[in-house]
Amino acid sequence: AQSVDQPDAHVTLSEGASLELRCSYSYSAAPYLFWYVQYPGQSLQFLLKYITGDTVVKGTKGFEAEFRKSNSSFNLKKSPAHWSDSAKYFCALEGTGNTGKLIFGLGTTLQVQP
Amino acid sequence: ETAVFQTPNYHVTQVGNEVSFNCKQTLGHDTMYWYKQDSKKLLKIMFSYNNKQLIVNETVPRRFSPQSSDKAHLNLRIKSVEPEDSAVYLCASSWTGGAGEQYFGPGTRLTVL
Repeated sequence: AQSVDQPDAHVTLSEGASLELRCSYSYSAAPYLFWYVQYPGQSLQFLLKYITGDTVVKGTKGFEAEFRKSNSSFNLKKSPAHWSDSAKYFCALEGTGNTGKLIFGLGTTLQVQP
Repeated sequence: ETAVFQTPNYHVTQVGNEVSFNCKQTLGHDTMYWYKQDSKKLLKIMFSYNNKQLIVNETVPRRFSPQSSDKAHLNLRIKSVEPEDSAVYLCASSWTGGAGEQYFGPGTRLTVL
């Protein structure tokens, strides 16, 4: 079965701190992994993706993520965090069949306090 | 800059009515998707089309039916809506071939009374 787990429903930190949002996945083959962000009142925006190769991928807005096959994780990082990073973040896995079908985690709501 | 357009933004209707939502993308992508985002923000794919051909059809009630006139348009019709259909319906598009980032529209919020 293919699934994505984001164990932290909410994360709160102070502006200037480092943020790390956790994501783990279950998939038997080589995964395509994504992070999307949803700002309040807006739709989803693509942040970054991992396909193959370098295990640290950089995305938009200063975010990066590290793919770790050993523990099936794809954590999102940024340092320092800014209050404007407050949003809901979704980790996603592309399922089998090359169809583009995304399986999303439940999301992590990030609140960065000024 | 918006490149995936959805209409209407909001729709309120009564149980049993039929509704239709429209989606258009101007990115030239060949694959389009419908997702449902429930009140807890859980996102689940419903359908996807590649060049007017249905390629993903998740386990959704038969009252939901997608319609594609060309690769830039993907509509969603719901016959006889139910209260559990209340949600935000998100349309997205991408290039085929796997691992393409998807571009999402602003969503249509459906409320079923």
